[in-house]
Amino acid sequence: GQNIDQPTEMTATEGAIVQINCTYQTSGFNGLFWYQQHAGEAPTFLSYNVLDGLEEKGRFSSFLSRSKGYSYLLLKELQMKDSASYLCAALDSNYQLIWGAGTKLIIKP
Amino acid sequence: IAGITQAPTSQILAAGRRMTLRCTQDMRHNAMYWYRQDLGLGLRLIHYSNTAGTTGKGEVPDGYSVSRANTDDFPLTLASAVPSQTSVYFCASSLRAGGSTDTQYFGPGTRLTVL
Repeated sequence: GQNIDQPTEMTATEGAIVQINCTYQTSGFNGLFWYQQHAGEAPTFLSYNVLDGLEEKGRFSSFLSRSKGYSYLLLKELQMKDSASYLCAALDSNYQLIWGAGTKLIIKP
Repeated sequence: IAGITQAPTSQILAAGRRMTLRCTQDMRHNAMYWYRQDLGLGLRLIHYSNTAGTTGKGEVPDGYSVSRANTDDFPLTLASAVPSQTSVYFCASSLRAGGSTDTQYFGPGTRLTVL
């Protein structure tokens, strides 16, 4: 079956760095997405990786290892507004997105 | 209109009633999707449409129907609502040309309560 695993909840301190991990098992693979979702709002796109390696976008970076079925989202210089859920989703061979349940990130001052 | 809009924002519905959730996008995206999001679960795909005139079933299609008469609109109908359909419903769209252009953009959601 197809499956995405990510931690349910993480806590970090303002100004620190946090890494949110995601492992996936899909029928075929056409890339991995990370979305941010603030409470009561819609998911918004953060990043897309299809090749192995690290993609950096300002304070946020995303890493992919296709051979290990593994990705992580790295958030640097954490701000209170980064408190949100982070959703990992893999695009399978039929170009359907398989979603993880999301990681709720709590930022403490 | 800019992006994707959904209506209504929220609704309380009696069980057994029929309800249509509306979704409109102005980005000329080919593909559109309906998801439901429940606490502790990932987004679950209900129905999708890769292009106007075609639709397909997702992971949890039972009790729901969709139509795609044109590029912009993708309504979701609950023929006879049941309490287990209480959820937040998100509509999304993507350009649908593969790879990064499959990035899905979401509407603001409809919070539906079935009593």
